[in-house]
Order: sequence, then C-alpha cells, then structure tokens
Amino acid sequence: GIQVEQSPPDLILQEGANSTLRCNFSDSVNNLQWFHQNPWGQLINLFYIPSGTKQNGRLSATTVATERYSLLYISSSQTTDSGVYFCAAATGANSKLTFGKGITLSVRP
Amino acid sequence: SAVISQKPSRDICQRGTSLTIQCQVDSQVTMMFWYRQQPGQSLTLIATANQGSEATYESGFVIDKFPISRPNLTFSTLTVSNMSPEDSSIYLCSGLRAGPSSEQFFGPGTRLTVL
Repeated sequence: GIQVEQSPPDLILQEGANSTLRCNFSDSVNNLQWFHQNPWGQLINLFYIPSGTKQNGRLSATTVATERYSLLYISSSQTTDSGVYFCAAATGANSKLTFGKGITLSVRP
Repeated sequence: SAVISQKPSRDICQRGTSLTIQCQVDSQVTMMFWYRQQPGQSLTLIATANQGSEATYESGFVIDKFPISRPNLTFSTLTVSNMSPEDSSIYLCSGLRAGPSSEQFFGPGTRLTVL
C-alpha cells in the first residue's frame, strides 16, 4: 500500500513565527488531506488537496502530485495552532486513507 | 461538509466486556470507515463499513473482535468485543459523500479506556 511520511516529527515555534510541514507519499493519489487534531482528539479538516494550492486564512497548502509531496504552511502562528498535524492519502477507488505519523507542533507565547 | 456524530464520546470499561459505538452522518454517504488511534500513535484503518453486508476488514483486524454493522446509508456501529487494556484507544468513524470529491470527514471520536 501507499506510504506516507511526515517531517519534521516535532516542531517548536515562538508565537508569530512561520512554519512549513512536509508530507511525502509513495504513489499517485486521488485524495490528500491535512488534518489538525485538537487536544480532545477530534480531527479537524484543514485541506483536501490532491493537487494544486489552496489557502484558508493563515494556512495554505500545496501538493505537487508529480513529485509526490505536499506542504502545509502556517503563518503568524498562534498558541491555538498547537497540536498534531496529520497528512493522509488515498490511491485508487477504495478511498481508504493512509495516515502519516503526524507532526506535533507546539507554539509558545 | 458532512456532520458526523458518535456515541458515546468516552467510556471506561472492564476487561472482558464489550462496547458498541454508534456513528451517525447527517447526509447520505457512499462509504463509511472505522479507524483506531492508539495512545500517542497515528490513525489505522480498521474496516470499511458496507451497507447491508459484511464489513471489509484490514489486515490485523477480524470480525469476531470488531463486528461492524451498517443498516443504512447514514448509520454504522462498531463493537469492541472481549476488551483488554490493549484496546484502549480513540475510535473514529469517517464518511465519504457522493460526488466528485474524495474528501473524508471524521466524527469526534470515542475515547475508550479498558481497565
């Protein structure tokens, strides 16, 4: 099956800093999603982005499908951005998502 | 986006017992899935819940341990049977709506602790 790798595993930022989170995947995808897991365990959909670039406020994401990677950009980070960020990908018609191990982000005031 | 609810939100259970988790979606979805997230780990797919037929399980998960039902397009249940402390996890259901997008939406999760 598809392999999904995220880097770095941990990230510590000062409030106001910018960051880039990376997701590499091993096969062509028809689904690539970024999630933020809050402290209560809920997965928040950030982006559905199998290709191209999207922006939502301080967050943006780019997927270069031909090179099999996706980037999540966080600008002007806030303490509420802390948590675990997951990238997940699916290939083929079965739509089964494979998750990366996640990136733990800590934003300090 | 689809709204997905799960019940219960959390539970503490004794080993050897079973717990049934319910998942309700507010609109019709083509596919529903169940995932497990063990403490400090990522999410792993347990099975695809098929309407009116047996679920399709991933490697390492079996029907006797995790029986799943999906009687209609918007509702599914996952039972964790004969629980042990190793079953302590967050269990999440997800749905995929009909249409050109393959975006999945997740429920809030059920946090299970087995003593």
